Amino acid sequence: AQTVTQSQPEMSVQEAETVTLSCTYDTSENNYYLFWYKQPPSRQMILVIRQEAYKQQNATENRFSVNFQKAAKSFSLKISDSQLGDTAMYFCAFMKPSYNNDMRFGAGTRLTVKP
Amino acid sequence: NAGVTQTPKFHILKIGQSMTLQCTQDMNHNYMYWYRQDPGMGLKLIYYSVGAGITDKGEVPNGYNVSRSTTEDFPLRLELAAPSQTSVYFCASSLEGRGTEAFFGQGTRLTVV
Repeated sequence: AQTVTQSQPEMSVQEAETVTLSCTYDTSENNYYLFWYKQPPSRQMILVIRQEAYKQQNATENRFSVNFQKAAKSFSLKISDSQLGDTAMYFCAFMKPSYNNDMRFGAGTRLTVKP
Repeated sequence: NAGVTQTPKFHILKIGQSMTLQCTQDMNHNYMYWYRQDPGMGLKLIYYSVGAGITDKGEVPNGYNVSRSTTEDFPLRLELAAPSQTSVYFCASSLEGRGTEAFFGQGTRLTVV
């Protein structure tokens, strides 16, 4: 079974600075998908970024980018120019291509952006 | 654009009671899911459905039931509630196809006392 590990339960960063959240996963699959979801205090889960394992290029979405290291099974999220609105729980998730597309989630990292 | 709508947002249930958490989506997604989120843990899959009339168990199905009579609706039934079912419940939906994004509702915080 796939497992997803987020080793940083809590992190904080000063506004406008850069922070990196870590995620590692365990799988024997060669093709799969990785996601970062953001959960602000409103509880709404929002997709931040998505990476396909067969693509070498790291995904980017505005201030959010990933460092995908397939051999190391690592998928970290970098947030540049942190904003107060980035304060949230961040979940890393793994999806292998399957009948139902279900995901395995890490335990989450609580990020606080300080003014 | 409503997306995925869950009701209620909060509920307190007594041990042994039953209730249904409602979930509806207006995106015409075939795939729907129910997850639970416990403190300090990631989301765990309870049940899923890949289309109307088709449901199957996920990782933690015990104590729950689902039905999928229409594409839009995917209710989750709790029978004989237990304190271990105190959690935040999320409904999600996605398009068919490999690696498609899941869209989530705002969750239901359920407390069993």
